[in-house]
Amino acid sequence: AQTVTQSQPEMSVQEAETVTLSCTYDTSENNYYLFWYKQPPSRQMILVIRQEAYKQQNATENRFSVNFQKAAKSFSLKISDSQLGDTAMYFCAFMAHFGNEKLTFGTGTRLTIIP
Amino acid sequence: AAGVIQSPRHLIKEKRETATLKCYPIPRHDTVYWYQQGPGQDPQFLISFYEKMQSDKGSIPDRFSAQQFSDYHSELNMSSLELGDSALYFCASSRDRAETQYFGPGTRLLVL
Repeated sequence: AQTVTQSQPEMSVQEAETVTLSCTYDTSENNYYLFWYKQPPSRQMILVIRQEAYKQQNATENRFSVNFQKAAKSFSLKISDSQLGDTAMYFCAFMAHFGNEKLTFGTGTRLTIIP
Repeated sequence: AAGVIQSPRHLIKEKRETATLKCYPIPRHDTVYWYQQGPGQDPQFLISFYEKMQSDKGSIPDRFSAQQFSDYHSELNMSSLELGDSALYFCASSRDRAETQYFGPGTRLLVL
């Protein structure tokens, strides 16, 4: 079974600053995906970024980037030039490549962007 | 772009009643997942379907059942509702198994 750990329950940062959210996971799988989902106050689950475990290059989506360290089983999210609209709960999630495609989520990090 | 549609968006039921939640996946997505998110918790996987067949099963109570129909929409049926079933129920869809899951807006169920 997979486990996902987010050790930062809450974080806050000034607008326009950079913030990094941490995530570690445990698995015996070799092929898998990692995701960051954002859940704003509306409670919609919005995909932020995805990383395939077989890719060494870290994924990037505009102001969002990840630092994927497969050996260390670490998957952090960096948000650059943070904006008020980034205020949300952020969930790290794991999905095996085949045979068990459910998402396993961490407990989330509540991020507040301060004007 | 078309998104996952869930209905109803809000539902209030009494204990021991029955509820049916519906999910319409993104067009050409053949895989549907159901998750339950309690207050202050992360989403928990309930059940999934691929090509109208049950694919995987999580911590879904026996009082709950689900299916995927020929048009790929899915329904989650919940019977003998309990207070603890009050939660946000998400449906997600993906283009294939082991592909990125896109979530619907959720159905908020309140059991009184």
